Amino acid sequence: EVQLVESGGALVQPGGSLRLSCIASGFTFSDHYMDWVRQAPGKGLEWVGRIRTKANRYTTEYAASVKGRFTISRVDSRNSLSLQMNSLKTDDTAVYFCTRGPYCPNAVCISIALYYYDYWGQGTLVTVSS
Amino acid sequence: DIQMTQSPSAMSASVGDRVTITCRASQGISNSLAWFQQKPGKVPKRLIYGASSLESGVPSRFSGGGSGTDFTLTISSLQPEDFATYYCLQHNSYPVTFGGGTKVAIK
Repeated sequence: EVQLVESGGALVQPGGSLRLSCIASGFTFSDHYMDWVRQAPGKGLEWVGRIRTKANRYTTEYAASVKGRFTISRVDSRNSLSLQMNSLKTDDTAVYFCTRGPYCPNAVCISIALYYYDYWGQGTLVTVSS
Repeated sequence: DIQMTQSPSAMSASVGDRVTITCRASQGISNSLAWFQQKPGKVPKRLIYGASSLESGVPSRFSGGGSGTDFTLTISSLQPEDFATYYCLQHNSYPVTFGGGTKVAIK
C-alpha cells in the first residue's frame, strides 16, 4: 500500500524557517518525481515545487511565490522528501501536502498522466504568524 | 503560466442531477489534465487522469472529456457523497496549475 506521511508543521514567526518531511512507503520512491502542493485555509490548491529523480539529476522546479526561499531535497535511501522553508511570510500559511509525481526510472518518464498526483499525504499545517 | 479557469465556481444541485463542470486552459495542454475531488478537511482524491481516464475504484458516474483547451467533468447522477469541491489540474508545462475549484452543494 502506497503511503506518504508528512511531518514538521508548526507555528512560526514571519521571517522564520521550518523544515517539512515526507516519508514514503509502498512503492519505489527513487523512481518517482515528488512534488509539494499547499492549500491556504479556505482556499484552493497551489503547486509549490518538484524534485526529479537521480536519473534526471535531482533537478528542481519551484513556484514563483516560493522560489529563492524554499528548497526541496530527497534522500532516496531513506524514502524521504524534505521541504526547507526560509524567510517565511504570513501568505505561506497553509496545509502542505507531498504528492507522488511521474514515474521516471531513467531519463524518460513513463505513462506520465497515470502517476500524476495519484497519491497524497495527509498534509501538515504550517502557520506563519506573530 | 497557463491559467486554468473553472466554471462555475459554485453550484447547487439535487441528488440524481446530471452535473457538468468545465475547465478552460489559457493555451493548449493536449490531454495533460486531471480532476480531483476534495471534501472538507480531507485530502484531494484523483478522479480522472489524462483528461478522460477513470481512476481505479472511482464510480462510473464520473467521466471526463476534452482535449486542447476545453475540458469537462461530468457526474451523470449526483449522489449524496458527491457533494464536495472539485479541482482541475494541468501538468503540460511548468508551473503546474490548478483551477480555482467548483463547490457542489446540496440544493
